[in-house]
Amino acid sequence: SQQGEEDPQALSIQEGENATMNCSYKTSINNLQWYRQNSGRGLVHLILIRSNEREKHSGRLRVTLDTSKKSSSLLITASRAADTASYFCATKSGGSNYKLTFGKGTLLTVNP
Amino acid sequence: DTEVTQTPKHLVMGMTNKKSLKCEQHMGHRAMYWYKQKAKKPPELMFVYSYEKLSINESVPSRFSPECPNSSLLNLHLHALQPEDSALYLCASSPWGVSQGPQHFGDGTRLSIL
Repeated sequence: SQQGEEDPQALSIQEGENATMNCSYKTSINNLQWYRQNSGRGLVHLILIRSNEREKHSGRLRVTLDTSKKSSSLLITASRAADTASYFCATKSGGSNYKLTFGKGTLLTVNP
Repeated sequence: DTEVTQTPKHLVMGMTNKKSLKCEQHMGHRAMYWYKQKAKKPPELMFVYSYEKLSINESVPSRFSPECPNSSLLNLHLHALQPEDSALYLCASSPWGVSQGPQHFGDGTRLSIL
């Protein structure tokens, strides 16, 4: 079963606007990761946040993690047309050394 | 360009054919993965290899047979596939032999079963 659930399923914005995507999960985690997938391509790792961290930044990306609510958000600031992609959260639980469980994803469209 | 290379990029095969998907990485990662991804869905884990040994088989049908000949190569042998097996097959690798860190994905093989 899918651990993460992204919200919204699809998001359409104008270039220069900010985009926020949310992810909820059900069980305790070691870390939560965000990936981007451009159409027809593989997934690209964006950022990893550990369970003892609350916020992390990388360039125009900001990720927050609230373990009490079992949720995370990904904020992309000053979006560009090149940010158009599907974004997936993925959780790694303590019970498995290898398994990432992916959410259903958010399809982000940035209009020029 | 990705650091995980998958070949072929596209594959069309009949239900009675035998074919193989290949994946190669030279990052020194000791964990490698096969995922299946249907359109507009997240990747679904199929197999995990750690130090060239099969660690996880997510109850994948036997018509999919993985092989890890060495630490850089991962194969997926296909035989007698069904139309519902048409999908994007993604290979990934990760460092330290465990998935504590991010996984690096190839661009996948798009498989169509006639």
